[in-house]
Amino acid sequence: NAGVTQTPKFRVLKTGQSMTLLCAQDMNHEYMYWYRQDPGMGLRLIHYSVGEGTTAKGEVPDGYNVSRLKKQNFLLGLESAAPSQTSVYFCASSYSPWTGANYGYTFGSGTRLTVV
Amino acid sequence: KQEVTQIPAALSVPEGENLVLNCSFTDSAIYNLQWFRQDPGKGLTSLLLIQSSQREQTSGRLNASLDKSSGRSTLYIAASQPGDSATYLCAVTGGSYIPTFGRGTSLIVHP
Repeated sequence: NAGVTQTPKFRVLKTGQSMTLLCAQDMNHEYMYWYRQDPGMGLRLIHYSVGEGTTAKGEVPDGYNVSRLKKQNFLLGLESAAPSQTSVYFCASSYSPWTGANYGYTFGSGTRLTVV
Repeated sequence: KQEVTQIPAALSVPEGENLVLNCSFTDSAIYNLQWFRQDPGKGLTSLLLIQSSQREQTSGRLNASLDKSSGRSTLYIAASQPGDSATYLCAVTGGSYIPTFGRGTSLIVHP
């Protein structure tokens, strides 16, 4: 099925460990986003990308890095995990507005990360 | 900076009622507005997308309206069912082409 796939779905990390979350989309979308969702805080943008090889900071980028080496993949890295990074992480994608395609956003099913 | 507010934060209604969920935004220069549904422990599922040039969109029992001048959108759910129980989120996209989300309305429809 076409859409946005996130791996892994669940992960438990110890403080100080590193990991990479993978987001893959097969819709040829130019824009990709990483959000975190916490109770009472809603969805907050971590980083986003407007095309292959580009990345930009969102609202809460500290402690995270991203890479977009291929158009279909957007990786979110935690170099040294902290308990404050315990959250549910969502990836989303969309067409660039410059293509004239205005079809909104497609979300992945999320990664639930616990840092102990 | 765009701010999106959803009222009410929570709603509990008996089955069969018609519902109105509200989404307000501070910057009327928008590109589109999208309503999502999120079930507990799941991702976001798109319900309706309203482009800036449109006034409303309909899908089944759902109708979403957009009034840019007043900075408001409403999601109307007709004849609510227990299966409609979920959190409903609106996302507003402006000139930056990055969506801003409201915190959602948590809906419970009881039999």
